[in-house]
Amino acid sequence: GAGVSQSPSNKVTEKGKDVELRCDPISGHTALYWYRQSLGQGLEFLIYFQGNSAPDKSGLPSDRFSAERTGGSVSTLTIQRTQQEDSAVYLCASSLRSSGGANEQFFGPGTRLTVL
Amino acid sequence: KNEVEQSPQNLTAQEGEFITINCSYSVGISALHWLQQHPGGGIVSLFMLSSGKKKHGRLIATINIQEKHSSLHITASHPRDSAVYICAVGWFGNEKLTFGTGTRLTIIP
Repeated sequence: GAGVSQSPSNKVTEKGKDVELRCDPISGHTALYWYRQSLGQGLEFLIYFQGNSAPDKSGLPSDRFSAERTGGSVSTLTIQRTQQEDSAVYLCASSLRSSGGANEQFFGPGTRLTVL
Repeated sequence: KNEVEQSPQNLTAQEGEFITINCSYSVGISALHWLQQHPGGGIVSLFMLSSGKKKHGRLIATINIQEKHSSLHITASHPRDSAVYICAVGWFGNEKLTFGTGTRLTIIP
């Protein structure tokens, strides 16, 4: 079956512009996660969605970052007024359900964002 | 201070060698994940374990809950095993994963 897909695969933008990154999770997966991987650094949790519950936004680095998940499926991560330090690979993952970090997560290929 | 520590950061070995990558963590966890990331590629989940040992092909993962330590072993290593291996832990009552900084493995033919 289809895995997690993300679009675009690459995005180059100018400082100050807004960007939207999209994630299509595996069908039937109720949990969806966004992570960021900056150059030379490890993975960093951003936000987590589980079904219709309120998302865990505790990893978002600033109020310029927001995310939504419509209909319990597709998710969009929006970065407003992008800054150069936002340049990173943004990864989405989904899992069948949530249970305290003990679910296998399936990762998408990522979106490489470059802010000039 | 990162709550998940991996070692070594970089590892180069000859094809056929037995490889061990280590991961230690600071407090009790719900599960530990081993992930693989190829250059320019996505991330693949290799193992998720909360106790004991798991084996898949040439890969073996072990965890010692008392010592808060896990190891990933690769037997008969091959150049295609060259990748970054990442340890991540999940905490009870919390959906976030906390990641180690990764181990860059290079297998030389």
